[in-house]
Amino acid sequence: EDKVVQSPLSLVVHEGDTVTLNCSYEVTNFRSLLWYKQEKKAPTFLFMLTSSGIEKKSGRLSSILDKKELFSILNITATQTGDSAIYLCAVGSVTGNQFYFGTGTSLTVIP
Amino acid sequence: GAVVSQHPSWVICKSGTSVKIECRSLDFQATTMFWYRQFPKQSLMLMATSNEGSKATYEQGVEKDKFLINHASLTLSTLTVTSAHPEDSSFYICSARLAGVRWNEQFFGPGTRLTVL
Repeated sequence: EDKVVQSPLSLVVHEGDTVTLNCSYEVTNFRSLLWYKQEKKAPTFLFMLTSSGIEKKSGRLSSILDKKELFSILNITATQTGDSAIYLCAVGSVTGNQFYFGTGTSLTVIP
Repeated sequence: GAVVSQHPSWVICKSGTSVKIECRSLDFQATTMFWYRQFPKQSLMLMATSNEGSKATYEQGVEKDKFLINHASLTLSTLTVTSAHPEDSSFYICSARLAGVRWNEQFFGPGTRLTVL
């Protein structure tokens, strides 16, 4: 059965801290892994990863994929209160149309 | 580009009534749309995959007679919650997938908050 697991489930940090969010997966015929940020409404796209070892960066956020160990991490440096959100990881397979979402990590950044 | 809209954004209905939610891709054609359900503080749960011109593919445990999906055109998919009950109250989100080289990306609608009294 295909599954995506994220850890930790929730995290509370102070502004300026660095956080690492984890996503592990077991998906048949892996195609891509996507990270989303969800605040009050629908998720917004952050990164798409298809190859191992290539870091994607966007400002203070970065992500990398390990297809051998079947996981990805999302790093956020110098966190700000605006980073407070649920971060979702989704994995798509070659054979299927759909994406499987992880449980999400709820991040709270306090001033 | 790649904007997806949903209508309505929120709806309150009485138990036993049916509710239709629309999902539209505004500036692109979406051969595939997905319907998700999300409970408070939980992740998205894929309900079904909707392909234009064909029957939707439902995930295990999702009642196809309860959640009717129609993908009548390349820009519109609808989800009808039939005979809604309070346990159907949830946040329903659709997403649409681009064709071509960006087929791996999916773009989400703003979601519809359904409350069944």
